[in-house]
Amino acid sequence: QVQLVQSGAEVKKPGSSVKVSCKASGGTFSSSPVAWVRLAPGQGLEWMGGHIPVVGSTNYAQKFQDRLTITADESATTAYMELSRLRSDDTAIYYCARGCSGGACYRQWGQGTLITVSS
Amino acid sequence: AFQLTQSPSSLSASVGDRITITCRASQGISNALAWYQQKPGKSPQLLIHDASILESGVPSRFSGSGSGTDFTLSISSLQPEDFATYYCQQFDNYPLIFGGGTKVEIK
Repeated sequence: QVQLVQSGAEVKKPGSSVKVSCKASGGTFSSSPVAWVRLAPGQGLEWMGGHIPVVGSTNYAQKFQDRLTITADESATTAYMELSRLRSDDTAIYYCARGCSGGACYRQWGQGTLITVSS
Repeated sequence: AFQLTQSPSSLSASVGDRITITCRASQGISNALAWYQQKPGKSPQLLIHDASILESGVPSRFSGSGSGTDFTLSISSLQPEDFATYYCQQFDNYPLIFGGGTKVEIK
């Protein structure tokens, strides 16, 4: 069973960047998409973007297009989400998720990483 | 822009009740839809994929149906552990948006 473990909580200043990691144990992201989803206070789940390492394909939600970068390492066991030009409304729990093979779903989720943006 | 409208946004129900949550897509998405449960402080958990396939290990009181633009998640007999927020998500086209969520509370 694949498990996803994310890096720890961070406090960042407005205008700075954050990079969150997501390590897969018991499997890889090579053929399954890895996505990043966030949950802001009082809001619902928001899909930010996804990456398929085996084909090198990445898609981003339009609102994050110019400040979000999703990557994976060469072994496709660790994925990264880097968000730049942080604002206070980027304060949220950020989750990585691994796509289902041949199915419409995300089956495995990381434990979440709280990113707080505050001056 | 493509929209995924989930209703109701919240509901109150009692243990043993049957409840139904709907998710409507602004354009047809075949059966490319998943349902998740999320409890406070926890990660989302997959319940249903491909609109109607029950994820392994999920109790059979959960069921999903629909195709095209209209989908439903039903819980046949609500249990205390089912009080949570439920989300639908479409996988037909990017961005892979979520519905707004339905918070199920104890009456």
